[in-house]
Amino acid sequence: ETGVTQSPTHLIKTRGQQVTLRCSSQSGHNTVSWYQQALGQGPQFIFQYYREEENGRGNFPPRFSGLQFPNYSSELNVNALELDDSALYLCASSLAELEDSYEQYFGPGTRLTVT
Amino acid sequence: KQEVTQIPAALSVPEGENLVLNCSFTDSAIYNLQWFRQDPGKGLTSLLLIQSSQREQTSGRLNASLDKSSGRSTLYIAASQPGDSATYLCAVMNSGYSTLTFGKGTMLLVSP
Repeated sequence: ETGVTQSPTHLIKTRGQQVTLRCSSQSGHNTVSWYQQALGQGPQFIFQYYREEENGRGNFPPRFSGLQFPNYSSELNVNALELDDSALYLCASSLAELEDSYEQYFGPGTRLTVT
Repeated sequence: KQEVTQIPAALSVPEGENLVLNCSFTDSAIYNLQWFRQDPGKGLTSLLLIQSSQREQTSGRLNASLDKSSGRSTLYIAASQPGDSATYLCAVMNSGYSTLTFGKGTMLLVSP
């Protein structure tokens, strides 16, 4: 069973640029959630995708957008990067029909630095 | 709005000590609670998941309890080892949603 993978591992961008982060779900999982973790803070929920549809969104501006593909992999896109977007971006997958659990499995994260 | 608080923010203990990490949450209408471990700059490793109907879960030297009515959970680590040094995060999933609200974590250092 393949776990959650994310790419790239590290990324450095300049303020105003755009970035795309990628996530491959754990095998068999149909739900992907994205979180932002600033230094010294707990992860903050950005949005969730279930079967290619956005299924909930946290308190993040529209320049944070996402996609989920038929194979349940996902992308997080951030436009007009700001210095405060520097963070560890975490992807988590789960199986929505597994009502007894909804346990989320996290990937290793992508470290984004905006200069 | 759900808020999760973890106490203490940091903890330093000598090897072999038993220790308790605390987590509190403001909205008791939760679906489950998870404890995670995070090594510096790394992703999250799930340690224990407690369903709202359960009172505790155990895995090896780890035991997590849940008191939903009072909005509290504790993570007990027995016979701590230097390899336990990491940040421990508590997260709750509210009923009706499948997303997690996290605390800021407890940074644990176990010295030899």
